[in-house]
Amino acid sequence: DAKTTQPNSMESNEEEPVHLPCNHSTISGTDYIHWYRQLPSQGPEYVIHGLTSNVNNRMASLAIAEDRKSSTLILHRATLRDAAVYYCILRDDRPGTASKLTFGTGTRLQVTL
Amino acid sequence: NAGVTQTPKFRVLKTGQSMTLLCAQDMNHEYMYWYRQDPGMGLRLIHYSVGEGTTAKGEVPDGYNVSRLKKQNFLLGLESAAPSQTSVYFCASRRTAMTSGNTIYFGEGSWLTVV
Repeated sequence: DAKTTQPNSMESNEEEPVHLPCNHSTISGTDYIHWYRQLPSQGPEYVIHGLTSNVNNRMASLAIAEDRKSSTLILHRATLRDAAVYYCILRDDRPGTASKLTFGTGTRLQVTL
Repeated sequence: NAGVTQTPKFRVLKTGQSMTLLCAQDMNHEYMYWYRQDPGMGLRLIHYSVGEGTTAKGEVPDGYNVSRLKKQNFLLGLESAAPSQTSVYFCASRRTAMTSGNTIYFGEGSWLTVV
């Protein structure tokens, strides 16, 4: 499985935008970029995913570099409830892979007033 | 919506005891997964299943067994618990459709301590 590299931690002020970077220089053409987050004492939850184009949903935006070797998760206005560990994961959805998620250690986002 | 439900949520075991963690999903998902998470670490895949009656090993399968007798249930067994199996266990599920990127849903976790 291709690996991702994320900063261990980041801090943000509430109601400011947050840009969480992820490097995945060994990404293959069939890998989708997924972001999950894990709130304290909870299971991970899906945030967003993409392949080549930038993506937006109600939770966040995903900006993918043209060469796909990096991506950035954007939280437009961080709130205290966004404090979590954010995981950038490459997922291979080809038949026979079972679409397993391989987690790294993620980025711990702290949000302060 | 119940989603993915894990039982029990908390358990303390003595070394050598056995136990089974139950995962139940009500979304008619084909794929199910068991992960473990140690303090300060990401999740690691123990076993997974791509359908009723099938199971496969993940990254860290030693010391665990699984069964998928019913589509909605995925059981994780510890035959002889060891302190190294003290961890938080997460179950997850997803549909089998080939639609790219369909979401994997996680349970809330089961905290297991082996003393």
